[in-house]
Amino acid sequence: ETGVTQSPTHLIKTRGQQVTLRCSSQSGHNTVSWYQQALGQGPQFIFQYYREEENGRGNFPPRFSGLQFPNYSSELNVNALELDDSALYLCASSSGTLYTEAFFGQGTRLTVV
Amino acid sequence: QKEVEQDPGPLSVPEGAIVSLNCTYSNSAFQYFMWYRQYSRKGPELLMYTYSSGNKEDGRFTAQVDKSSKYISLFIRDSQPSDSATYLCAMEAGNQFYFGTGTSLTVIP
Repeated sequence: ETGVTQSPTHLIKTRGQQVTLRCSSQSGHNTVSWYQQALGQGPQFIFQYYREEENGRGNFPPRFSGLQFPNYSSELNVNALELDDSALYLCASSSGTLYTEAFFGQGTRLTVV
Repeated sequence: QKEVEQDPGPLSVPEGAIVSLNCTYSNSAFQYFMWYRQYSRKGPELLMYTYSSGNKEDGRFTAQVDKSSKYISLFIRDSQPSDSATYLCAMEAGNQFYFGTGTSLTVIP
């Protein structure tokens, strides 16, 4: 177990709806990164939060947004869901500049119908 | 062209075999190179990471980086059925990781 927990585990939403996914980082970690993993693909970087500030963003539209809280847990929000948003959403926590030792949660499986 | 290329397999080997998994990349800015193992419906689990060219060994696993050829490898010795999983290579530049598509490995008892 990595100590990184994500909720919910599974989720089904309708196209056009909004969704919030949550991630609790490992104790002592102040950096959370979010990834989208489509079936049969590697994870794609969405964005990263470091000490409550966005610290890098991948090639995702603005309807993907996030937050990091003072306890370093984080949320990923997706508005106006599209069918292609169906994927496994992963968060990874790390400590400051030790990005190489990032630990992933189990992921949230989102299905958009 | 993707920045990280990885043969998706699938790869099937008998128990005890030596497994070789590989990735190539195009971005010279990549500094760190990681290997993750992902079981079905689970999050990726960090196996090893390396910084420079050369080899790094951890038990049955050896990671190899050749920056001049932009090529990395993971070798698994004495493979076990419990090694059956998808193996993802990842590389870091700036604040983000760039992943390969993963290679599906099955070790047959």
